[in-house]
Amino acid sequence: GAGVSQSPRYKVAKRGQDVALRCDPISGHVSLFWYQQALGQGPEFLTYFQNEAQLDKSGLPSDRFFAERPEGSVSTLKIQRTQQEDSAVYLCASSLPETGENSDTQYFGPGTRLTVL
Amino acid sequence: ELKVEQNPLFLSMQEGKNYTIYCNYSTTSDRLYWYRQDPGKSLESLFVLLSNGAVKQEGRLMASLDTKARLSTLHITAAVHDLSATYFCAVDIELSGATNKLIFGTGTLLAVQP
Repeated sequence: GAGVSQSPRYKVAKRGQDVALRCDPISGHVSLFWYQQALGQGPEFLTYFQNEAQLDKSGLPSDRFFAERPEGSVSTLKIQRTQQEDSAVYLCASSLPETGENSDTQYFGPGTRLTVL
Repeated sequence: ELKVEQNPLFLSMQEGKNYTIYCNYSTTSDRLYWYRQDPGKSLESLFVLLSNGAVKQEGRLMASLDTKARLSTLHITAAVHDLSATYFCAVDIELSGATNKLIFGTGTLLAVQP
């Protein structure tokens, strides 16, 4: 079946511009996560939704970052007044809480590579 | 602060050889994941290790978990070029709502040479 999709795949922004990154999770997945992956590093947690509720946003680096998932499916990560240090790959993941072999496995999308000039 | 450390960070190995990647973490966790990432691609789930002593194998890869030592290993047997990728371990931390966020290691870049 269809996996997690993200758009755009690549985004170049001038410093100070606002950007919006979209994530379409796997259909029926309750949990949705955003991660930031800097070049040569592992992904770092940004925020988490359970359905439409944002239950944890402790990883958002500043108040320029916010995310929403108004209908409990598609999510948007918005970055206002982008800075060069925001350049990274933004990964979205979804999961269906379950027990057994694949307990809570997060399935990742292809990511959006953001470059801020 | 939870830390997840992998070593080595870079591994160049010849086809046919065996090697092990190590993942140490600094806090109690009963679940550990291994992911593979190809250049420019997303993360592909390889293994979920759910309990102390868990061992899973898929093809030339075998993963194990020792929760008492806070150590997981990913063993590569008779490496082939197709295994070249970056491998991440990730430890889960429970969030509200009975789900988890993942804390990733820095990754191990594996290059298998002919």
